[in-house]
Amino acid sequence: DAGVIQSPRHEVTEMGQEVTLRCKPISGHDYLFWYRQTMMRGLELLIYFNNNVPIDDSGMPEDRFSAKMPNASFSTLKIQPSEPRDSAVYFCASSLGGLRYEQYFGPGTRLTVT
Amino acid sequence: AQKVTQAQTEISVVEKEDVTLDCVYETRDTTYYLFWYKQPPSGELVFLIRRNSFDEQNEISGRYSWNFQKSTSSFNFTITASQVVDSAVYFCALSGTSSNTGKLIFGQGTTLQVKP
Repeated sequence: DAGVIQSPRHEVTEMGQEVTLRCKPISGHDYLFWYRQTMMRGLELLIYFNNNVPIDDSGMPEDRFSAKMPNASFSTLKIQPSEPRDSAVYFCASSLGGLRYEQYFGPGTRLTVT
Repeated sequence: AQKVTQAQTEISVVEKEDVTLDCVYETRDTTYYLFWYKQPPSGELVFLIRRNSFDEQNEISGRYSWNFQKSTSSFNFTITASQVVDSAVYFCALSGTSSNTGKLIFGQGTTLQVKP
């Protein structure tokens, strides 16, 4: 079975550009999570969805960040405009049943904003 | 507030040594869930174990074992006869059950280096 798929795996962009990260969760999973990992702040939950509906976006750092889940098999995380401090590894994860259950992570997207 | 503390930032052992990774958590929930994840050098996060607060039985899976003690709010992870492939960052995580504690909170991670 395919795991969580993320694209691109690496993204290098210039400050001010729009960045879109993509995620395909494991088929049948009803929860999808976006995390950011940095050396300074560790792993942070940005937003999560249940059945394609955003449940908690309190971790989204600011209005420059937005996330959508148009259907059960696809989600995007967009940063517009990007800034150097957004440089991090962004992980998508999915689970069956929510926060009480194990989450399965994608390989991550390493974003570098210059 | 919920919190997970992994006091050991880095541990270095020689292959075949046993090693224990410590995890201490804080929560006011009576029902909660604890997890361990492994992040090898390749970068992905791999789920290892989930434990709920009502199950204090220790668990063993091959060379891995977990010791959950509510009395000390600890959920420690032991690798027996460590191998080079165990080199990774290991994260302990906590999820509560109330609306404001349900998010998965990760510790800062322990980097384990197993030398041949």
